[in-house]
Amino acid sequence: SQQGEEDPQALSIQEGENATMNCSYKTSINNLQWYRQNSGRGLVHLILIRSNEREKHSGRLRVTLDTSKKSSSLLITASRAADTASYFCATDGAGGTSYGKLTFGQGTILTVHP
Amino acid sequence: EAGVAQSPRYKIIEKRQSVAFWCNPISGHATLYWYQQILGQGPKLLIQFQNNGVVDDSQLPKDRFSAERLKGVDSTLKIQPAKLEDSAVYLCASSPGGAGGYTDTQYFGPGTRLTVL
Repeated sequence: SQQGEEDPQALSIQEGENATMNCSYKTSINNLQWYRQNSGRGLVHLILIRSNEREKHSGRLRVTLDTSKKSSSLLITASRAADTASYFCATDGAGGTSYGKLTFGQGTILTVHP
Repeated sequence: EAGVAQSPRYKIIEKRQSVAFWCNPISGHATLYWYQQILGQGPKLLIQFQNNGVVDDSQLPKDRFSAERLKGVDSTLKIQPAKLEDSAVYLCASSPGGAGGYTDTQYFGPGTRLTVL
């Protein structure tokens, strides 16, 4: 079953605009990760945020995590056409024998128009 | 540093045939994962290896899917016999870390796109 649910399912914006994607999950987590998948390519890791962190930055990416609401958001600032891709959140569940088992959401398809 | 290698990139087979996928993880990575990604969905973990031992195969359809990781390096995933619903992209990933209840970044290969007719 999919743990993370991304919202919106699809997002279309103009180059230079900001893009915000949201992820909700159901159970407690150790950390949450965001991945990008370009058409025809494998997934690329973007950023990892641990359960005791609230915000993290990497270049034009900003991720927030609200464990009380079981939600996370990914903000891409000043978007470029090259940011066109599917974005997935993935959660590592807390406790048990997770050992790195990630559960991915359905993804948000981002299209950035030049 | 070489990435995760997978072959073949594409495979078309008839239902009830068998197929095998190969994965070579990043050198030195202890953990290897196989995922199934159906069109329009996120990847679903099929099996996770720690060195050459299985850590999690709870979502692997064991009546038709099998996987092995010889000598803790390369891995193969086999489907026998294939069904129409097995049409998907099969992704291999690896990560450096060992057991301990924490998660490493996972590095993904390009995937094998399987079409079952």
